[in-house]
Amino acid sequence: GQQVMQIPQYQHVQEGEDFTTYCNSSTTLSNIQWYKQRPGGHPVFLIQLVKSGEVKKQKRLTFQFGEAKKNSSLHITATQTTDVGTYFCAGDAQGAQKLVFGQGTRLTINP
Amino acid sequence: SAVISQKPSRDICQRGTSLTIQCQVDSQVTMMFWYRQQPGQSLTLIATANQGSEATYESGFVIDKFPISRPNLTFSTLTVSNMSPEDSSIYLCSVGVGPDTQYFGPGTRLTVL
Repeated sequence: GQQVMQIPQYQHVQEGEDFTTYCNSSTTLSNIQWYKQRPGGHPVFLIQLVKSGEVKKQKRLTFQFGEAKKNSSLHITATQTTDVGTYFCAGDAQGAQKLVFGQGTRLTINP
Repeated sequence: SAVISQKPSRDICQRGTSLTIQCQVDSQVTMMFWYRQQPGQSLTLIATANQGSEATYESGFVIDKFPISRPNLTFSTLTVSNMSPEDSSIYLCSVGVGPDTQYFGPGTRLTVL
């Protein structure tokens, strides 16, 4: 079945440093979604990428979808303590909102 | 957006018993899903709750263990049956709003002793 791999599993940075998490699917995706889960919280939708090679920005966050629609990345510029949490990518192969989640990257930040 | 509530928020149960989790949405939605998140792990889709018909289960999940109801477009229940400690997880419902956004409920934290 479809698998979504995400690396790294953990990342610890100093506040102000950049952060990147990478996501790779075993199959071509209809779209990929990114979620953030704060400690003790539930996943919160960040963005969806649909087009091959698509790049979207949300303030300090930059999301990319690969040309082959099998990989994606999330880059945070100049991290802040509010960025702490686990970032999940989730692949949708069928376009039916049936998501396969990556393992998540847990981001911790030293203030 | 959609506001989703789940009941109970947490529970501690004895093995062999069953727990029914409720998910209520503040608007009518077509797509409702149930996920499981084991401690420190990622989310795994259990099933799609279909209004007016049987739920569609993912590989590894069966109706006898996780019966689901979807009586209308704003409500669904998930029952965890004949529980064992391995069922200790966070159970989350989610809804699809439009073609590109999915909202999650706050989750139900289940501990089975």
